[in-house]
Amino acid sequence: EVQLVESGGGLVQPGGSLRLSCAASGFTFSTYSMNWVRQAPGKGLEWVSYISTISSTIYYADSVKGRFTISRDNAKNSLYLQMNSLRAEDTAVYYCARSGEHGDYGAFDIWGQGTMVIVSS
Amino acid sequence: DIQMTQSPSSLSASVGDRVTITCQASQDISNYLNWYQQKPGKAPKLLIYDASNLETGVPSRFSGSGSGTYFTFTITSLQPEDIATYYCQQYANLLRGITFGPGTKVDIK
Repeated sequence: EVQLVESGGGLVQPGGSLRLSCAASGFTFSTYSMNWVRQAPGKGLEWVSYISTISSTIYYADSVKGRFTISRDNAKNSLYLQMNSLRAEDTAVYYCARSGEHGDYGAFDIWGQGTMVIVSS
Repeated sequence: DIQMTQSPSSLSASVGDRVTITCQASQDISNYLNWYQQKPGKAPKLLIYDASNLETGVPSRFSGSGSGTYFTFTITSLQPEDIATYYCQQYANLLRGITFGPGTKVDIK
């Protein structure tokens, strides 16, 4: 079964750090680009970051640029998001999502179940 | 950034009704437009990619069309299981980011 499972969410104080992980299974992880997408409580979807298959191309949303770092370990079939200098507005469910199935980077065809990050004192 | 707008923000329709949602981009995005369905408490699900292509396994009552700046998403015969929020998403230029529309919440009347 093709699956993505996020972990690492939790409660963190403003200014703190957190590292999210996403474990992939059921497909050849190294051949797909990956993304993080978040959703604040009761709000819409916000794309956070993109990483290509061999990590040669990385992009971030302006809202997280300079604070978040995306990475991947193809040997471990895992995607990561290092989040530093966290703010209250970073509170959200964070999803990892696969792209590249349809020959492009934009269609997110597989999503994880999400992990909740709460930034609060 | 490329901004996306969706209309309406919510709608209520009867089972069997035809439902249409529109999505407009702030600039030409060709056909780099996808549609997702999200049910409460669940992750989004890809329904339509590249404006008009039906994702594998998605019922044929869902369809999409459009190019440039104006796109439409249609459910030809609304079913109870279609109750969800629907989002459009553009990916015309990664340098300028990937953006989602604000969503359209669909309810049964």
